[in-house]
Amino acid sequence: DADVTQTPRNRITKTGKRIMLECSQTKGHDRMYWYRQDPGLGLRLIYYSFDVKDINKGEISDGYSVSRQAQAKFSLSLESAIPNQTALYFCATSSAGPYNEQFFGPGTRLTVL
Amino acid sequence: DAKTTQPTSMDCAEGRAANLPCNHSTISGNEYVYWYRQIHSQGPQYIIHGLKNNETNEMASLIITEDRKSSTLILPHATLRDTAVYYCIVEGNQGGKLIFGQGTELSVKP
Repeated sequence: DADVTQTPRNRITKTGKRIMLECSQTKGHDRMYWYRQDPGLGLRLIYYSFDVKDINKGEISDGYSVSRQAQAKFSLSLESAIPNQTALYFCATSSAGPYNEQFFGPGTRLTVL
Repeated sequence: DAKTTQPTSMDCAEGRAANLPCNHSTISGNEYVYWYRQIHSQGPQYIIHGLKNNETNEMASLIITEDRKSSTLILPHATLRDTAVYYCIVEGNQGGKLIFGQGTELSVKP
């Protein structure tokens, strides 16, 4: 079984709809992250969490919110989806050690019509 | 602002060593150099990291210049499965923000 899972893997939605992307991990890591990737570009950090009570904005947090329900679960919400949020979304985890080795999920491909 | 500069693309013959360069001239003393790769829209995969010394693991070697302003990732015997985008990332040891640039698209050819 995969250490970092994301659901759904693919989603098509309409402008204005609320949508939630979910991430679960079995690695026992404290730190979790949400990134988005647009075609031909690198990943950009949306939000990250260093433990259950910690939430931090990344470089592109506008239009998104997150919830850290448990150590193993970190959800990303789009309150009112818009077409330019069409992208590939990745969740990642890492331990709290000095090194930033992040483990990524398989991604969620989101299309907003 | 990007902390690293990488070539946009490179080719390598299968079985040969692939040497991927990265410039990070503004690196701070406590910042590590990380390398990740992404195979065709899959989640990125950690390869290796280093601070000052050269590093080697089962996947690759990392050579960091003495002034730490540049580094080279070496895949000693590239295979077709190594075709991917390779990201060089500089990041402080507080964890958290990996800043991905556009990376180098490596094509390994038969």
